Amino acid sequence: GAGVSQSPRYKVAKRGQDVALRCDPISGHVSLFWYQQALGQGPEFLTYFQNEAQLDKSGLPSDRFFAERPEGSVSTLKIQRTQQEDSAVYLCASSWDPLETLHFGNGTRLTVT
Amino acid sequence: LAKTTQPVSMDSYEGQEVNITCSHNNIATNDYITWYQQFPSQGPRFIIQGYKTKVTNEVASLFIPADRKSSTLSLPRVSLSDTAVYYCLVGDGPQGGKLIFGQGTELSVKP
Repeated sequence: GAGVSQSPRYKVAKRGQDVALRCDPISGHVSLFWYQQALGQGPEFLTYFQNEAQLDKSGLPSDRFFAERPEGSVSTLKIQRTQQEDSAVYLCASSWDPLETLHFGNGTRLTVT
Repeated sequence: LAKTTQPVSMDSYEGQEVNITCSHNNIATNDYITWYQQFPSQGPRFIIQGYKTKVTNEVASLFIPADRKSSTLSLPRVSLSDTAVYYCLVGDGPQGGKLIFGQGTELSVKP
């Protein structure tokens, strides 16, 4: 079946631009997570949704980062006024419930120039 | 959440068995041990999970000693396609989403 889908696959933004990254989780998956992975590092937790409720956003690095999942399925991670340090791969993952293993998408590689 | 320590990199040859050991001295009673595999330009993929003793699936085996302060991922007869980064994670499942990946072990399989 279809896995977690993320778009765009690659995004280049000029410093100061706003970007929006989309995640389509596996159908029926209640839990959705966003991670940030810098080059050569492991993924780092950003935020977590259960259905449409954002239960944990403690990993968001600044108030320029905003995530939403208004209907409990598709999620968007928005980064305002991008900075060079925002350059990374942004991974989305979903699961049936918080205690189940995560299914990851292939990520969006963001490059801020 | 318990912190994990694993080798930064390992080299192997096709057909060999590879064992990657992870230390997690502060593992809690409720914590499970989970391993993920990540290929370049892809998201991590679940390999195996265990709580104690030995777990085996079609891909790997996971050995956990009685004190649970370490674990060993065993990959039998590796091939070139097993070249990837392997992450050891400890926690009570992905509850809250706060899986802590660490830097992982970069396994390079050579012909």
